Amino acid sequence: EPEVTQTPSHQVTQMGQEVILRCVPISNHLYFYWYRQILGQKVEFLVSFYNNEISEKSEIFDDQFSVERPDGSNFTLKIRSTKLEDSAMYFCASLAGGLYQETQYFGPGTRLLVL
Amino acid sequence: KQEVTQIPAALSVPEGENLVLNCSFTDSAIYNLQWFRQDPGKGLTSLLLIQSSQREQTSGRLNASLDKSSGRSTLYIAASQPGDSATYLCAVKGFGNEKLTFGTGTRLTIIP
Repeated sequence: EPEVTQTPSHQVTQMGQEVILRCVPISNHLYFYWYRQILGQKVEFLVSFYNNEISEKSEIFDDQFSVERPDGSNFTLKIRSTKLEDSAMYFCASLAGGLYQETQYFGPGTRLLVL
Repeated sequence: KQEVTQIPAALSVPEGENLVLNCSFTDSAIYNLQWFRQDPGKGLTSLLLIQSSQREQTSGRLNASLDKSSGRSTLYIAASQPGDSATYLCAVKGFGNEKLTFGTGTRLTIIP
């Protein structure tokens, strides 16, 4: 069964460094998402992406964050200058779109630790 | 602003029992509701999706119901097994937006 994949599974970085989290959505899906989950807290929406542009973003998704679909398969989340509070599990999700195809499928996550 | 609550936060039941997990949401104008399973340190596995026009969905031993007017959904698990131990999350999607709003989850432990 097709699945969303994410790399790396774990990343440790120093505060102020840039990180890029990578996702490969399911191949025929059209909508892409990033969520994060700080340890012990709710899963929170960051951004959605459709037709090569951001369609919705949360207040968390400030100027330090950006997303890109550099080719036909990858979907990336970049954090320009990491802060301690960016430590979280980051989940990518994708959705096929269309009638009766509205389930968001999530990847296994990237655990980011900012020191 | 949509708020999603799941009670209880944790639940332990003996193997073989049927159980119900609860989810409530403050804004009844939802497009759909999705139940997920999350194993420790892992991603989210979609279990069931209920459209706003539907009352329930079933998959194997799982049955999810939706009462949109009262802002509630339940996930019924029949004949529980130790492998059902996980955190169960519900999430709602509103009209006119893309995001899912998640609850804090119920951590379920099935005792062999």
